Amino acid sequence: GQQVMQIPQYQHVQEGEDFTTYCNSSTTLSNIQWYKQRPGGHPVFLIQLVKSGEVKKQKRLTFQFGEAKKNSSLHITATQTTDVGTYFCAAPRGTSYGKLTFGQGTILTVHP
Amino acid sequence: EPEVTQTPSHQVTQMGQEVILRCVPISNHLYFYWYRQILGQKVEFLVSFYNNEISEKSEIFDDQFSVERPDGSNFTLKIRSTKLEDSAMYFCASRAGEGSNQPQHFGDGTRLSIL
Repeated sequence: GQQVMQIPQYQHVQEGEDFTTYCNSSTTLSNIQWYKQRPGGHPVFLIQLVKSGEVKKQKRLTFQFGEAKKNSSLHITATQTTDVGTYFCAAPRGTSYGKLTFGQGTILTVHP
Repeated sequence: EPEVTQTPSHQVTQMGQEVILRCVPISNHLYFYWYRQILGQKVEFLVSFYNNEISEKSEIFDDQFSVERPDGSNFTLKIRSTKLEDSAMYFCASRAGEGSNQPQHFGDGTRLSIL
């Protein structure tokens, strides 16, 4: 079936270092959404990208949607310990009912 | 801010028993979902529900699974005869309106442990 591939699976950084996670799809996406899941928590919606080449920022987080709408990235500048968690990209698939296909997620750990 | 609530937070059940997981979606939302997440793995879609019927379901959602919206607020997932491999976190989510551009809001999840 259709999949969204996400890399890397794990990322360990020192506090203050940058972090990036990437998502790729073999098919064009109508939009891509990013979620953060803290350890033991539930996915929390961060942002949605809709337009080709779109770039959105939330404080230290920068989200990009590729020109072909097949890939996306999340970049965190100067990580903090509060950034730990798993970051998932998710794409709606199929009909307008909007079921989400999640990437595998990137587990971020930040060492103080 | 309104949120999706799920009960119980943790359910322990013997294999072969029936379980019902409960969710109260955000009140003005129209689309409802169940997802599951096996420990250490990605979130997987189970089923979507709109206008009092299932709109989509995945291969995981076989005859052992069913969903109901018995009243105006609750949305339940039933597993008739649980298996060991049903052990996972089950997340309910809801979405406001039409179009896949609407974000989904997730509940805290129910951790289902099958013994």
